[in-house]
Amino acid sequence: ETGVTQSPTHLIKTRGQQVTLRCSSQSGHNTVSWYQQALGQGPQFIFQYYREEENGRGNFPPRFSGLQFPNYSSELNVNALELDDSALYLCASSFSIGRESYEQYFGPGTRLTVT
Amino acid sequence: AQSVTQLGSHVSVSEGALVLLRCNYSSSVPPYLFWYVQYPNQGLQLLLKYTTGATLVKGINGFEAEFKKSETSFHLTKPSAHMSDAAEYFCAVSSKAAGNKLTFGGGTRVLVKP
Repeated sequence: ETGVTQSPTHLIKTRGQQVTLRCSSQSGHNTVSWYQQALGQGPQFIFQYYREEENGRGNFPPRFSGLQFPNYSSELNVNALELDDSALYLCASSFSIGRESYEQYFGPGTRLTVT
Repeated sequence: AQSVTQLGSHVSVSEGALVLLRCNYSSSVPPYLFWYVQYPNQGLQLLLKYTTGATLVKGINGFEAEFKKSETSFHLTKPSAHMSDAAEYFCAVSSKAAGNKLTFGGGTRVLVKP
């Protein structure tokens, strides 16, 4: 059974640029959630995707957007990068029945640095 | 709305001593509670969870936690610390009403002294 994978591992971008982060969910899972973890803080919920539709969003601006594909993999896109976007971005997959999901399994994260 | 407070951002214990990490939560509906561990430069690994049923929950690596509704607490313990327990620990809350989205505390970094 393959776990949650994320790419790339590390990324350095310049303020104002756009970035795309990718996540492959664990086999059998149909729900993907994204979290932002700033240095020294706990993860914060960005949004969740269930069956290719957004299923809840945290307190993040619209320049944070996402996609889920038919194979349940997912992308997180961030436009107009700001210095405060520097963080570890974590993807978590889970299995949901009727939008109620169970325990989430996390990937290793993508470390984004904005200069 | 739901929230989590972890008391103590850093905890130092001696090898073989009791590990106690404190977590208090706020939730207007029955909560689901979790403890995750994060090793340097890695993602989060689930240690244990409480959803319903028995309030004393046993997890991996010898950890356990007790759900106390009256105290809105979910403290994590391990009777005897091992050097490999040095990591950051996060308490999280979710609920069916919140669509099982996790709200995390700020984390507690554990240092184990030989």
